[in-house]
Amino acid sequence: SQQGEEDPQALSIQEGENATMNCSYKTSINNLQWYRQNSGRGLVHLILIRSNEREKHSGRLRVTLDTSKKSSSLLITASRAADTASYFCATDGSQGAQKLVFGQGTRLTINP
Amino acid sequence: GAVVSQHPSWVICKSGTSVKIECRSLDFQATTMFWYRQFPKQSLMLMATSNEGSKATYEQGVEKDKFLINHASLTLSTLTVTSAHPEDSSFYICSASRGVMNTEAFFGQGTRLTVV
Repeated sequence: SQQGEEDPQALSIQEGENATMNCSYKTSINNLQWYRQNSGRGLVHLILIRSNEREKHSGRLRVTLDTSKKSSSLLITASRAADTASYFCATDGSQGAQKLVFGQGTRLTINP
Repeated sequence: GAVVSQHPSWVICKSGTSVKIECRSLDFQATTMFWYRQFPKQSLMLMATSNEGSKATYEQGVEKDKFLINHASLTLSTLTVTSAHPEDSSFYICSASRGVMNTEAFFGQGTRLTVV
């Protein structure tokens, strides 16, 4: 079953602006990961944050994790038209790290 | 990074026929692979866990006789949609990890199945 919920479901911003997406989950986790999916394509791994980490950076990406609130956020700074895609958070649980449960995703549109 | 290749990328078949989708890990061995299904503008739903050398583990509500999974080697898992119907039309994606706990999953490109 899907345990992750993301908001907003859709986000449309101007190029150069920052985009923030949020993810909430229900059970305890080992890691939380963020993936990107271009329309009709597979998923590309963006970043993994462990349960004992609170913040992580990778290029223009910044991920935060609040295990007390069971939530995470993905910030994309200085957005580009090429960032247009769907973004999903995925959590692993007691089943093991490899079995991921995905959020509903946020469809991000960057307008030139 | 690790590469997972999925084939075919798209397929159109007639109702009642069977379709096989392959998922290969190209540069690492994967004792476990996962098969997901994704409807348009929706998230990925885990269908089953493919285990090398043993039976697949199916998620609740997924028909094991409908979606046959074979994981015959450490680099190949196949999903066969048997007696396909239009409602089976969907985007199917596989993933694999290197086998170490707490690592990222690598996804295939996905297969768009259309049953007419």
